[in-house]
Amino acid sequence: AQSVAQPEDQVNVAEGNPLTVKCTYSVSGNPYLFWYVQYPNRGLQFLLKYITGDNLVKGSYGFEAEFNKSQTSFHLKKPSALVSDSALYFCAVRELYGGATNKLIFGTGTLLAVQP
Amino acid sequence: NAGVTQTPKFQVLKTGQSMTLQCAQDMNHEYMSWYRQDPGMGLRLIHYSVGAGITDQGEVPNGYNVSRSTTEDFPLRLLSAAPSQTSVYFCASRDQGRTEAFFGQGTRLTVV
Repeated sequence: AQSVAQPEDQVNVAEGNPLTVKCTYSVSGNPYLFWYVQYPNRGLQFLLKYITGDNLVKGSYGFEAEFNKSQTSFHLKKPSALVSDSALYFCAVRELYGGATNKLIFGTGTLLAVQP
Repeated sequence: NAGVTQTPKFQVLKTGQSMTLQCAQDMNHEYMSWYRQDPGMGLRLIHYSVGAGITDQGEVPNGYNVSRSTTEDFPLRLLSAAPSQTSVYFCASRDQGRTEAFFGQGTRLTVV
């Protein structure tokens, strides 16, 4: 069964510093990996995805993520954090097997707090 | 461009009451899903549908029913609400040609 782990409940970073939000996954086949962001009292917004190809994926708002197959990780990164990046971040995985399904499995989320 | 629309945004129910959470999308997406979000547990899949007339169970289906009579609508029914169903519910959709899902704004449900 597929699963996602986000080992940190909260990440604190000062504005202007680089940030990393960690994610590891488990699937039996090839993974489709995603990052979503949730601002307070809002729905989830898509940030970026890895399907195939280049291991470094660039997404919205200056975020990027690096796919590492040997470590089964897909960490979210940003070179310089902004206070407005403070939000709840979710990593998600979907496995394509047989026919396509919509079983998108989420991690428990990591709260990013950027201090001014 | 409305995207995924959920109604209501907030709801308070008494234990044992029934209700339907509505979800509609105007993007002609084939795949639709319902998730619940609880603190420390992320989003858990309740039910999903790969097209009109086809539904299947996710991780936490007990206490919920769904149907998919049209491509646009995917309502979630609580037949007899319980306090354990207090949560924030999200509906999502995507089409066959895309891999990322689009989410509604959520329904915050409290069962007392």
